[in-house]
Amino acid sequence: NAGVTQTPKFRVLKTGQSMTLLCAQDMNHEYMYWYRQDPGMGLRLIHYSVGEGTTAKGEVPDGYNVSRLKKQNFLLGLESAAPSQTSVYFCASKGVNTGELFFGEGSRLTVL
Amino acid sequence: DQQVKQNSPSLSVQEGRISILNCDYTNSMFDYFLWYKKYPAEGPTFLISISSIKDKNEDGRFTVFLNKSAKHLSLHIVPSQPGDSAVYFCAAVWSGGSNYKLTFGKGTLLTVNP
Repeated sequence: NAGVTQTPKFRVLKTGQSMTLLCAQDMNHEYMYWYRQDPGMGLRLIHYSVGEGTTAKGEVPDGYNVSRLKKQNFLLGLESAAPSQTSVYFCASKGVNTGELFFGEGSRLTVL
Repeated sequence: DQQVKQNSPSLSVQEGRISILNCDYTNSMFDYFLWYKKYPAEGPTFLISISSIKDKNEDGRFTVFLNKSAKHLSLHIVPSQPGDSAVYFCAAVWSGGSNYKLTFGKGTLLTVNP
């Protein structure tokens, strides 16, 4: 039982490049989330999903896209990376009958 | 406009003493509150939560208190241990909505000195 797994763990991009972060959960959770953590800013919600095939914008969605084609996976895409997107990204999931979110270990992205 | 505020960026306490971490919120719709603990290079882990129908919830060394009229909650750790040194995030949510979204504070770095 791996819980929430994020790949890759580390990535360095050049400005303008694109990439996708993959989040996979094996807990059969309905809800999935992408947060970013920046120094002094806490955790800010980028996008989330309340079920397979659904996505919604969070607090800081600009510059990101997401897809939830399968219940267990939630993809976060950067079409044209910018230095402002340098951050640590956390994926999380939640079951219907639980209150807490379960987080992955994070993906550190650096955009040069 | 921060809806969840942790006004102390850091806190230092001696091992064995009490640690008190504070959190304020502005959105009166919030009815469920959570504390997360985060070590460097790891994801946040759930610690304890409280529903707005309660004013206290206890789990071992950790107790969360909720003062709804003041829109304030606090996490008490007694006794504090060096392994408790981490960043603590307060989070809040309106559990009755169809879109369950946690709003986090900026976190408080707790250092427990041996």
